[in-house]
Amino acid sequence: AQKITQTQPGMFVQEKEAVTLDCTYDTSDPSYGLFWYKQPSSGEMIFLIYQGSYDQQNATEGRYSLNFQKARKSANLVISASQLGDSAMYFCAMREEDDKIIFGKGTRLHILP
Amino acid sequence: ETGVTQSPTHLIKTRGQQVTLRCSSQSGHNTVSWYQQALGQGPQFIFQYYREEENGRGNFPPRFSGLQFPNYSSELNVNALELDDSALYLCASSLGQGSSFGYTFGSGTRLTVV
Repeated sequence: AQKITQTQPGMFVQEKEAVTLDCTYDTSDPSYGLFWYKQPSSGEMIFLIYQGSYDQQNATEGRYSLNFQKARKSANLVISASQLGDSAMYFCAMREEDDKIIFGKGTRLHILP
Repeated sequence: ETGVTQSPTHLIKTRGQQVTLRCSSQSGHNTVSWYQQALGQGPQFIFQYYREEENGRGNFPPRFSGLQFPNYSSELNVNALELDDSALYLCASSLGQGSSFGYTFGSGTRLTVV
C-alpha cells in the first residue's frame, strides 16, 4: 500500500489564483512529520513547508500553507496568489519514526499567464 | 553557508560497471540520505548515514552501498550496474535526526546506464 498518495498527476492554474495540491498519507506511527518539496526542471528539491503530527496549528510559510487534517490523514498544500515561477513538480513526503522520508509520486503544476 | 553539492552532475556508464557518486553536505549537517528518482517518479529512499554509521536502508539490493566520512560528506557506490539503475540520484543532508527543518537536497547526479 502506498504511504503517500498524490492523486493529481497534473494541474493547470491561472496566474494569481490560489491552488490546492492534494496529499493523503498512511502511517501507524504516533509521531511523524509531513513535508512539501518543489522540484523545478533543474532537479533540485526545494523544501517548502513542514508539519509535525503533534502541531496544533497548520503550518504557514509565506504564500504556502499546509491544510493538515489529522483524522483524515490529509496534508494538502495551498499556494496563494500563484506565480509563473511556481510551475514545477510538487512532492508530498512523510518522515516516520525510523527517520526515512517517503515521497509521493508528485503533482506537476502549470501556471498559465 | 554552502548548500549540498553533488558530483558529477551527469554520468554515462555501461551495464556491469561500477560507479561512485559524491555528496558534500551542508555545513554543520551530520545526517546524509540518498535517494533514487526514476523519470516521472518520486524519489525512493536508498539509505541514510548519521555520524558515519548507516542508520536506515530502503528496499535496495546490497550492490548499493555507501560511506560517510568524518567531515560528513558521503559516497554512494553502485556495483554491477543495470539498465534500471538509470535515474537521478539525490543526496540530502540535515542537522541531526528527526529534523523538522526539512532536508537540504543537492541538484543530483543524473546517471545513464547503457
